[in-house]
Amino acid sequence: GDSVTQMEGPVTLSEEAFLTINCTYTATGYPSLFWYVQYPGEGLQLLLKATKADDKGSNKGFEATYRKETTSFHLEKGSVQVSDSAVYFCAPGYSGAGSYQLTFGKGTKLSVIP
Amino acid sequence: DGGITQSPKYLFRKEGQNVTLSCEQNLNHDAMYWYRQDPGQGLRLIYYSQIVNDFQKGDIAEGYSVSREKKESFPLTVTSAQKNPTAFYLCASSMRRSGSNEQFFGPGTRLTVL
Repeated sequence: GDSVTQMEGPVTLSEEAFLTINCTYTATGYPSLFWYVQYPGEGLQLLLKATKADDKGSNKGFEATYRKETTSFHLEKGSVQVSDSAVYFCAPGYSGAGSYQLTFGKGTKLSVIP
Repeated sequence: DGGITQSPKYLFRKEGQNVTLSCEQNLNHDAMYWYRQDPGQGLRLIYYSQIVNDFQKGDIAEGYSVSREKKESFPLTVTSAQKNPTAFYLCASSMRRSGSNEQFFGPGTRLTVL
């Protein structure tokens, strides 16, 4: 079935460090790709998305590029802040049987220390 | 403001009791979803509904039931048949169209079985 693999956490970085969270997915069809963020005790918020090959999604300094050849959608940020501490989920979206569903990775917990 | 509301935020249940979690959206979305989140795990799909009066089982539907009598509402009942119900439950909704259907999430309900 459809699946996604995320870099396991937790990840601890110092403020202003560079962040990469790896994400790869199974290439069933041609999914749209999403990154969601979850702050403690809250629901998920969409961080960014990309809908076709070579698209770059970006938001709040975070970026991810849709790499069809490597079936990857790695999340990056050049300089993290303490406020970026959260859990990040990679989620490809697949259509099938008249419905559209997201498949979520297990999440990567990021802690940024001052 | 448009959005998704879930109530209650915290819920306690005795073993053997059924309990119903509320999910309401005013985004005029056709599709609604229920997910379960356990510590260190990704989101697992319980049930989803693409239109009113229709719903489908997700990956872990056993011990749960839903209804979709109104477009705005998608309540989830956790029955006594669910052997390990303590978890964080998230409701989501999305437009029902082809393409990049991002899902919008509610704040979640944390259910604890005493």
